[in-house]
Amino acid sequence: EAGVAQSPRYKIIEKRQSVAFWCNPISGHATLYWYQQILGQGPKLLIQFQNNGVVDDSQLPKDRFSAERLKGVDSTLKIQPAKLEDSAVYLCASSLVHNQPQHFGDGTRLSIL
Amino acid sequence: AQTVTQSQPEMSVQEAETVTLSCTYDTSENNYYLFWYKQPPSRQMILVIRQEAYKQQNATENRFSVNFQKAAKSFSLKISDSQLGDTAMYFCAFMWQGAQKLVFGQGTRLTINP
Repeated sequence: EAGVAQSPRYKIIEKRQSVAFWCNPISGHATLYWYQQILGQGPKLLIQFQNNGVVDDSQLPKDRFSAERLKGVDSTLKIQPAKLEDSAVYLCASSLVHNQPQHFGDGTRLSIL
Repeated sequence: AQTVTQSQPEMSVQEAETVTLSCTYDTSENNYYLFWYKQPPSRQMILVIRQEAYKQQNATENRFSVNFQKAAKSFSLKISDSQLGDTAMYFCAFMWQGAQKLVFGQGTRLTINP
């Protein structure tokens, strides 16, 4: 079984630029999550999708962050414009149904200069 | 609000020793799940063990076991016969059935020394 795929693995941008991350969940997994993990902290949920609908985006900074899940499969997370405090690892996870264990990708490390 | 606290930022033991990582949580929910995840330098979060709150029996996965104390809201992880490959960050996480999202603790950095 192929795991959760994320790209790119690393990204360096300057503040006020825009950036996008891509996630391909495990085949058949209906639920997809994006987490932000700041250095030295545990991951924090940004947004959760059930198929292509948003279940929870209460902690997503909507003035600069946006996310979509096309056709209930792949997902993209965008930041525009980026701030210094957005430097973090962005993790994507998926699960078969909502209360099953989540499987994580390798994450994208974002550095803002 | 649900919170998860890991009071040990770092731990270090010798190979083959037993180590216990602590975790406490705060919730008013009755139906929930608890997890321990391992995060090596590769960054991928790997599920180590899972416990359903309604089960009194402690979960066990090979060398990994938990001590789940529901009344005390405590969920510790015991690693027996520790191996060099166990070196990683370990995160305790909580999920309640209604919200479907994981809430993570701050993590414990575990180092297994040869």
